[in-house]
Amino acid sequence: GESVGLHLPTLSVQEGDNSIINCAYSNSASDYFIWYKQESGKGPQFIIDIRSNMDKRQGQRVTVLLNKTVKHLSLQIAATQPGDSAVYFCAETFYGNNRLAFGKGNQVVVIP
Amino acid sequence: EPEVTQTPSHQVTQMGQEVILRCVPISNHLYFYWYRQILGQKVEFLVSFYNNEISEKSEIFDDQFSVERPDGSNFTLKIRSTKLEDSAMYFCASMRGHEAFFGQGTRLTVV
Repeated sequence: GESVGLHLPTLSVQEGDNSIINCAYSNSASDYFIWYKQESGKGPQFIIDIRSNMDKRQGQRVTVLLNKTVKHLSLQIAATQPGDSAVYFCAETFYGNNRLAFGKGNQVVVIP
Repeated sequence: EPEVTQTPSHQVTQMGQEVILRCVPISNHLYFYWYRQILGQKVEFLVSFYNNEISEKSEIFDDQFSVERPDGSNFTLKIRSTKLEDSAMYFCASMRGHEAFFGQGTRLTVV
């Protein structure tokens, strides 16, 4: 089973550099994936989503990549800013089921 | 921009007491959810609610939990007899399509 604990994987990144956050999802039936950002003391905030019929989707400064072969999802943040410091969660769901299954978070710390 | 609002922001309660966490979802959304997040851990699904009834619940959502939409705008989560392990952030969400909008959460501390 999964291990849980109080320590999140942490990515420290220099302001202005690009960040890449990775996520392995578990359900091969999942067909919709979302990245959420959670700032301290706040609820998860939608960043970007991707359907399983795509392998890449771009937003403003963010890109999500999906590799269904290895059940891997990544989030790339371009030109990381101090306001990007947060915990990032991937979530998965599948058609006909609106329940979100969240992955473990990744802490991003932006160094000014 | 419409948002999901939750009250209270922080609730401290004694073990064994009942608590009610309140949420006002976004008005034209049809699906409502409760999730919880134990400190430092991932967000976990509790229950989904559609058309005035529970559509799905997780194994966490046992008989001590209940949800209600008493008046067409509020959406509540009741925990009948709180345990220490119920201490967590509880997030309400409402959904449009596949996009879930989360509230700021209620931090429940059971002592």
